Amino acid sequence: NAGVTQTPKFQVLKTGQSMTLQCAQDMNHEYMSWYRQDPGMGLRLIHYSVGAGITDQGEVPNGYNVSRSTTEDFPLRLLSAAPSQTSVYFCASSYSGLGLRGAGELFFGEGSRLTVL
Amino acid sequence: LAKTTQPISMDSYEGQEVNITCSHNNIATNDYITWYQQFPSQGPRFIIQGYKTKVTNEVASLFIPADRKSSTLSLPRVSLSDTAVYYCLVGDVKTSYDKVIFGPGTSLSVIP
Repeated sequence: NAGVTQTPKFQVLKTGQSMTLQCAQDMNHEYMSWYRQDPGMGLRLIHYSVGAGITDQGEVPNGYNVSRSTTEDFPLRLLSAAPSQTSVYFCASSYSGLGLRGAGELFFGEGSRLTVL
Repeated sequence: LAKTTQPISMDSYEGQEVNITCSHNNIATNDYITWYQQFPSQGPRFIIQGYKTKVTNEVASLFIPADRKSSTLSLPRVSLSDTAVYYCLVGDVKTSYDKVIFGPGTSLSVIP
């Protein structure tokens, strides 16, 4: 059981380049989300999804796109990378829905460290 | 959104019990209190969750007073491997995490 898998673990981009951070989970979780973490700060929510075909913006969505075509995958796209997007990105997943399944626990991936020059 | 306040950092010696208190004065009726642990270069990991009174698992205990305006995470007999950042979250996490905010957390340093 792999849990939440993120790729790549490390990436260096030049300003203006685009790329996609991949996230996959094998726990059949409905809820998936992307966070960014900057030094000395907590995690800030970028985008989230409560099921296939449904996405919504979090706290810091500008410069990022997401889609959710399957339950398992939730890729994060940077359309035109900027130095301000240098950060560590975490994907997470969870059961959702009135506490009927699970304890409302978020499962995180290992993170993807992105540097934009 | 239920805002949380917790100490930025704490130090403790190995073998001691550590208590980290989180204040959440505007907690709502449907909100749960959840604690996460994050080691350097890793994603956060769920520790414990509660709604009221006391919850205990193999890792920690969570104490919640009757008014639920604060909570205390208790780590018994800490070791060096407990050095990490601990986040207190408050929200209706059984439905969605979209309204839940991860603050800067409490950086716990365990000293030999």
